[in-house]
Amino acid sequence: RKEVEQDPGPFNVPEGATVAFNCTYSNSASQSFFWYRQDCRKEPKLLMSVYSSGNEDGRFTAQLNRASQYISLLIRDSKLSDSATYLCVVNGRSQGNLIFGKGTKLSVKP
Amino acid sequence: ETGVTQTPRHLVMGMTNKKSLKCEQHLGHNAMYWYKQSAKKPLELMFVYNFKEQTENNSVPSRFSPECPNSSHLFLHLHTLQPEDSALYLCASSQELAFRYGYTFGSGTRLTVV
Repeated sequence: RKEVEQDPGPFNVPEGATVAFNCTYSNSASQSFFWYRQDCRKEPKLLMSVYSSGNEDGRFTAQLNRASQYISLLIRDSKLSDSATYLCVVNGRSQGNLIFGKGTKLSVKP
Repeated sequence: ETGVTQTPRHLVMGMTNKKSLKCEQHLGHNAMYWYKQSAKKPLELMFVYNFKEQTENNSVPSRFSPECPNSSHLFLHLHTLQPEDSALYLCASSQELAFRYGYTFGSGTRLTVV
């Protein structure tokens, strides 16, 4: 099993749609979880951390299910500017090591 | 300058050349990292430095040689690279080893080995 697995997409959705991305991780001892966003030919940027109780930041909601080792990101009311690749990130077994998924590509169309 | 700055942005080098990538962070962070991003692959951790001491070398070939003279600067020295080393090389920093706060990335150096 890969350390972090994501559906690669692409997800093609119309503006205003709600879209959900899922991610599974293999290390049951992982403690830190993040979603990053990467635009084409740019560096990844932190979108949000994921907390045990779930957390929301505007149109974005992140959930964590430790029992199933599963993380999700929900985007409501999609905007054209949300088009990007979304990376699921989990801490690795050694200190300081963050493990990145391959990313899920989102394309929001007018 | 703010954030994490990487130079050069693009680099084309021959397999016999020697070049260096530079990274500087202006965030007061204590940990710095080199990652490699190849097409259709996830980011791969290469090296971790914490308070200028190397804490991780993720089985990286010796043709990549990191240097961290202080907590704000990180270099990646390259020599006798192979075409498969062509990739985006990303530097990142974090307040402490990354567990709680994640990383801040630089814009990357896009390397092409010919």
